[in-house]
Amino acid sequence: NAGVTQTPKFQVLKTGQSMTLQCAQDMNHEYMSWYRQDPGMGLRLIHYSVGAGITDQGEVPNGYNVSRSTTEDFPLRLLSAAPSQTSVYFCASSYSIDSNGHSEQYFGPGTRLTVT
Amino acid sequence: AQSVTQLGSHVSVSEGALVLLRCNYSSSVPPYLFWYVQYPNQGLQLLLKYTTGATLVKGINGFEAEFKKSETSFHLTKPSAHMSDAAEYFCAVSNQAGTALIFGKGTTLSVSS
Repeated sequence: NAGVTQTPKFQVLKTGQSMTLQCAQDMNHEYMSWYRQDPGMGLRLIHYSVGAGITDQGEVPNGYNVSRSTTEDFPLRLLSAAPSQTSVYFCASSYSIDSNGHSEQYFGPGTRLTVT
Repeated sequence: AQSVTQLGSHVSVSEGALVLLRCNYSSSVPPYLFWYVQYPNQGLQLLLKYTTGATLVKGINGFEAEFKKSETSFHLTKPSAHMSDAAEYFCAVSNQAGTALIFGKGTTLSVSS
């Protein structure tokens, strides 16, 4: 299994440009999430999905769109990039977060995005 | 609403000393709690987790944490620090729906020889 993969690893955008960060997992996980990591802020939840066709907002959803057309893929779209979106983005997946043992989130390696 | 507070953004210890990283949580439902470690320029690795059952949880690399409901705490400890433990540590609680994680702001652990 490749686990959780993210592309690209690095990206530089200009203000106003759009792009999609790709995330895929091959573990047949129901749940997928996007987080952003900023110095001194920890990781903050952007959007998450509990299955194909179902998404919901997290703590910091503004400026980002998501969709989940398949179990495997969960892309994150920036429609009009802003310097405030400069960050490291992590995608994660899991079966669920409950007491049945499948409660670990598996993280991808991250995408480092700079918006100038 | 779920939240996590990590007390101390930086902790410095000497090699061989006790490591104590503090985490307090707020949760409107029975919490599921996690500690992750991030080494420089790397992703996140799960150290340990509490879901139900035994309140003292043992993880990888000699770390353990104790869930104390009365204190709403989940502090991470290691009896003897090693240089390789230098990293950033994140405490997290599952969100109310159990679908994602809410993280603390992190604690950077430095280990000196």
